[in-house]
Amino acid sequence: ETGVTQSPTHLIKTRGQQVTLRCSSQSGHNTVSWYQQALGQGPQFIFQYYREEENGRGNFPPRFSGLQFPNYSSELNVNALELDDSALYLCASSPGLAGQAPYNEQFFGPGTRLTVL
Amino acid sequence: AQKVTQAQTEISVVEKEDVTLDCVYETRDTTYYLFWYKQPPSGELVFLIRRNSFDEQNEISGRYSWNFQKSTSSFNFTITASQVVDSAVYFCALSEANFGNEKLTFGTGTRLTIIP
Repeated sequence: ETGVTQSPTHLIKTRGQQVTLRCSSQSGHNTVSWYQQALGQGPQFIFQYYREEENGRGNFPPRFSGLQFPNYSSELNVNALELDDSALYLCASSPGLAGQAPYNEQFFGPGTRLTVL
Repeated sequence: AQKVTQAQTEISVVEKEDVTLDCVYETRDTTYYLFWYKQPPSGELVFLIRRNSFDEQNEISGRYSWNFQKSTSSFNFTITASQVVDSAVYFCALSEANFGNEKLTFGTGTRLTIIP
């Protein structure tokens, strides 16, 4: 069984540019969540997708947007990059939602390290 | 609003010592889940345990044990006979169990260093 994969591993962009990060969920998982982890901090929830629709969003501006495809893989897009966007971006997948019994924990990918210069 | 506090930023212990990582949480919900994750230098978050708010039984898994006390809103993690491989950043996290609100709220993490 293939775990959660993310691409690219590392990325360097300049301020004002746009970036797309990709995530392939674990086989059988229909839910994908994205988190931003700044250096020395815990991960912060960006948003979640369930069966191709956004299902909850954290405190991030609209320039952070996402997409989930029919195969449940997902993209995170960030426009007009700012220096503070430099972080490790983590994707997590799960086979269902917390409201569905039994609750399934989120399985995390290795992350994409984004550096904005 | 949910909040998770890990007051210990960094801990160093000598190999084979026992160590406890503290976690205090805040939530208005009566139904919620608590988690511990391990983050080695590679960056990937490794799931360790999940507890729901109705199950206050302590759990032991090998050298790992967890103490959940609802009265003090704490969910502490103890590693017995620590090993160098336990060196990592450990995160405590909280999730509401309501449909449509799935986010994990993480603490700021505790960096654990096991000295050989």
